[in-house]
Amino acid sequence: NAGVTQTPKFQVLKTGQSMTLQCAQDMNHNSMYWYRQDPGMGLRLIYYSASEGTTDKGEVPNGYNVSRLNKREFSLRLESAAPSQTSVYFCASSPPIGRAGNEQFFGPGTRLTVL
Amino acid sequence: AQKITQTQPGMFVQEKEAVTLDCTYDTSDPSYGLFWYKQPSSGEMIFLIYQGSYDQQNATEGRYSLNFQKARKSANLVISASQLGDSAMYFCAMRERRGGGADGLTFGKGTHLIIQP
Repeated sequence: NAGVTQTPKFQVLKTGQSMTLQCAQDMNHNSMYWYRQDPGMGLRLIYYSASEGTTDKGEVPNGYNVSRLNKREFSLRLESAAPSQTSVYFCASSPPIGRAGNEQFFGPGTRLTVL
Repeated sequence: AQKITQTQPGMFVQEKEAVTLDCTYDTSDPSYGLFWYKQPSSGEMIFLIYQGSYDQQNATEGRYSLNFQKARKSANLVISASQLGDSAMYFCAMRERRGGGADGLTFGKGTHLIIQP
């Protein structure tokens, strides 16, 4: 049981390049999330997906797109990377609201630098 | 307006002492949840404790307890008998209901806790 996995762990891009961050979970969770963490800050929600086939914007969605490929996978795409998108990106998943704890399980993060 | 406020950017505590990390929140939703996560220097997010808005008793998990004062909208984390391994960033977060049954978290800016021997 791997929990939430993310690839890659590190990435360096040039301004204007595109890339996709991959996330997968094996806990059969319906809900998945993408957050970013900037230095000295807490995490901020970029996009979320309540279930397979649905996605919604969070607090900071500009410059990103997402795809909920199936129940397990939720990818984040940067179409044209900008230096302001330099950050650590975390994927998370959670069971439905009402389950004990309602804990969100986080992946290990992807450290992205845009030059 | 900030929804989660952590007023202590950094704290130094002697090993074996108890420590309280402050968190206040703002929401008009009667149903919400409050979380504390630990982030060590290695970067992973570690779940510590959860308190639901309708829970009558304060949550406890081992050395961690949550001092939940609903009327004051505060949810302070108490770590008893601190250990060197407790040195980390600590984030308070609030679960808010969003569309379709998802519940994205809103985080505070964190408190950097350093335990001194």
